[in-house]
Formats: sequence, structure tokens, C-alpha cells
Amino acid sequence: SQQGEEDPQALSIQEGENATMNCSYKTSINNLQWYRQNSGRGLVHLILIRSNEREKHSGRLRVTLDTSKKSSSLLITASRAADTASYFCATDARDDKIIFGKGTRLHILP
Amino acid sequence: DTEVTQTPKHLVMGMTNKKSLKCEQHMGHRAMYWYKQKAKKPPELMFVYSYEKLSINESVPSRFSPECPNSSLLNLHLHALQPEDSALYLCASSQPGNEQFFGPGTRLTVL
Repeated sequence: SQQGEEDPQALSIQEGENATMNCSYKTSINNLQWYRQNSGRGLVHLILIRSNEREKHSGRLRVTLDTSKKSSSLLITASRAADTASYFCATDARDDKIIFGKGTRLHILP
Repeated sequence: DTEVTQTPKHLVMGMTNKKSLKCEQHMGHRAMYWYKQKAKKPPELMFVYSYEKLSINESVPSRFSPECPNSSLLNLHLHALQPEDSALYLCASSQPGNEQFFGPGTRLTVL
């Protein structure tokens, strides 16, 4: 069963614009993680945010977590062509197991 | 070394074949995972090994058999697969409760 639901399912923006993706989940979590996947390849971890954290930054990435609304957002600022990929949120509700959402397909237009 | 390696990259097998997928990490991670991913879908968890013991089996058919020979290696033995088992199989490792590091995957085609 899937825990996270990303929104939107697909997003196309111009290079240089900011991209925002949202994730909602259903049960209590220990942490929430965001991953990127280029077509047909392995996933790359972007950011992990723990349940007692509200915001985290890494370079051009900003993640927020609202545990009261059971939601998270990923903001990519000043997007580049290389940011074109699928982005997944994943929730860790208990040790060893994380569940991925359906993902957002991001396309950066030149 | 922050890499998870998987072999082979591609595998084509018939429904009567027996094959194995291999995964290796040298980051000292104590949890290792197998995922199955169909095109345009998220990864689906199959198995989790924690401290070399199988801790989670997500009701995977017995034609998939995992094995963890030691803390660095994870195998997935395949036997009598069906065409619908064709997918990208991803291995990952982590320290329990932390982010996962993924391998590049094995693209499996069952004829």
C-alpha cells in the first residue's frame, strides 16, 4: 500500500523558474525522504527530514514538513535542464521500511 | 566508498530458467533492500534484511528467493518467473532509520 501521494503528477516549467512538489501521507512517520530518479536509473537521495523538523535546505533544495497536516513540500529553486527527472517522497513509519509515493515527473523546458 | 553495485545491468531469461541478481555495498550499512519497479511507477518494496536477517517480506511470490550471505552482499534468486515479473529490480542499503543508497538496478525481461 502506498503511503505518500505526490502532487502534481507531472510538472513542466521554464529553466530558471522554481519548481514545487507536494507530498501527503496518511500515518505517523519517523522521517520523510525525497529522492530523484532519472529515467530508468537508480534513485538518488536528496533530503531526509525527521518528524521533529519543520524545514531543511540543501543547495537549491528546500523541504518543509507539516506533521499536523501530514504533508511535505520540495522546492527546487532556479531550475536547470539537469533537474528533469521523477521525484518521489518516501515515508519511514517504522524501522527498515519506507514506502514511496507515486512521484512527480518534472520537465524543465529550455 | 558510497556506492551500491548491482549485477547484471540487464538480464533476459525464459520462464524455466534459474538466475540470480547480485548487490554489494561496502558502506557498513546494516539494512539492505530489494525493490521492484515497473515503468512510470514508484519502487515497490519486496524484502528487507536487517543485520543479515530477513526482517520484511512483502508477500512476495516464492519464485523470488532472497539471500544475504554477509553484511555486504545481497542476492535475489529467480526461478520460474512470469512475463509480468519483467521490471527494474533495485537494491538499496542504509543504516536503519536513515536515508537509503540505491544501486543502478537490473533491467529484467522474462520471455
